[in-house]
Amino acid sequence: DVVLTQSPATLSVTPGERISLSCRASESVDTYLHWYQQKPNESPRLLIKYASQSISGIPSRFSGSGSGTDFTLSINGVELEDLSIYYCQQGNSLPYTFGAGTKLELK
Amino acid sequence: EVQLQESGPGLVKPSQSLSLTCSVTGYSITSNYWGWIRKFPGNKMEWMGYISYSGSTSYNPSLKSRISITRDTSKNQFFLQLNSVTTEDTATYYCARRGYNYGYYFDYWGQGVMVTVSS
Repeated sequence: DVVLTQSPATLSVTPGERISLSCRASESVDTYLHWYQQKPNESPRLLIKYASQSISGIPSRFSGSGSGTDFTLSINGVELEDLSIYYCQQGNSLPYTFGAGTKLELK
Repeated sequence: EVQLQESGPGLVKPSQSLSLTCSVTGYSITSNYWGWIRKFPGNKMEWMGYISYSGSTSYNPSLKSRISITRDTSKNQFFLQLNSVTTEDTATYYCARRGYNYGYYFDYWGQGVMVTVSS
């Protein structure tokens, strides 16, 4: 199975700052890496698909980059509503796998 | 709009079977792929399996022979059965839609149902 390692596990943020979250794959997944946001008591929401492709309805402050084994989710100007858990997921090979998540909390 | 809704018992006894239903509105399950994903306490997420538009299935090997996903196209529903549950199967269970295009992601999710395995 492809192991996805997310870092950091927790990130303390100040509204307005630019942040980057990391997702590293144990083997190449090309660009078949997707990002989700999960707020408390809600279901996951697709944020970015294929490493860098935007999703309709998602604010433009969210962006993704990377290919192969190293990926980054960036938030340009964190807002309070972004305090959530962020997961990466690979769709390159079965079984599909998720990272352990990065939790954004208020500094 | 595509909407998914899970339903089923919130409490299951160890060694029994867990059975959940996902009801889909706004889209036919005879298109795309339809899966089950669970989130454990502590936030780990696990893809469990899917059923395709044609009725074929694929399962996570970690679940071995305990899992079965079936469907009722007349009701636009699909189902999860997980046998011989233990306390380690305590989780929130989500149903979700997977796309056709390679590199698969899940674009629509249900709200989730929390299932506790306990005697």
